Amino acid sequence: DADVTQTPRNRITKTGKRIMLECSQTKGHDRMYWYRQDPGLGLRLIYYSFDVKDINKGEISDGYSVSRQAQAKFSLSLESAIPNQTALYFCATGKDFTDTQYFGPGTRLTVL
Amino acid sequence: ELKVEQNPLFLSMQEGKNYTIYCNYSTTSDRLYWYRQDPGKSLESLFVLLSNGAVKQEGRLMASLDTKARLSTLHITAAVHDLSATYFCAVEPNTGNQFYFGTGTSLTVIP
Repeated sequence: DADVTQTPRNRITKTGKRIMLECSQTKGHDRMYWYRQDPGLGLRLIYYSFDVKDINKGEISDGYSVSRQAQAKFSLSLESAIPNQTALYFCATGKDFTDTQYFGPGTRLTVL
Repeated sequence: ELKVEQNPLFLSMQEGKNYTIYCNYSTTSDRLYWYRQDPGKSLESLFVLLSNGAVKQEGRLMASLDTKARLSTLHITAAVHDLSATYFCAVEPNTGNQFYFGTGTSLTVIP
């Protein structure tokens, strides 16, 4: 079984709808991250969390919110989706700065 | 504004040739990470470099870090088709907790 899973893997929605992307991990890591990937822009950090009570904004948090339900679960919400939020979204986990980040398979989101 | 710049952005090379991808960054950091992404796939970790002068090698890939120059290199030796992918570097500032990614280098190895 994969260590970092994301659901759904693909989602098409309409402008104005509320969307939740979910991430679960079995690696036992405290650190969890949400990124979006756009062609030509690399990955940009949306939010990150170092434990259940710790939530931090990344580079591009506007229009997004997160919830850390447990050490293993970190959800990303788009309260009112807009077309420029169409992107590939990755969840990642990490132990600490001495280690790499481990990425989930990604969620491809299309907002019409 | 923190910048992580990779060059080249696109690289087409023949099998058997050598080449180097460069990653420059604009912050104080001795934490540099390299990833590989195949089309339609997730990111896979290649190297973690955590000190000035660090060098890591795996197969035909070798990564190095010069923290004084704020530069990391990913050297490809005798390229093979299987190395075709997009390669990203990422930096975590010494004073921060976030990873900042470069825009990626798309590598195509031609037979």
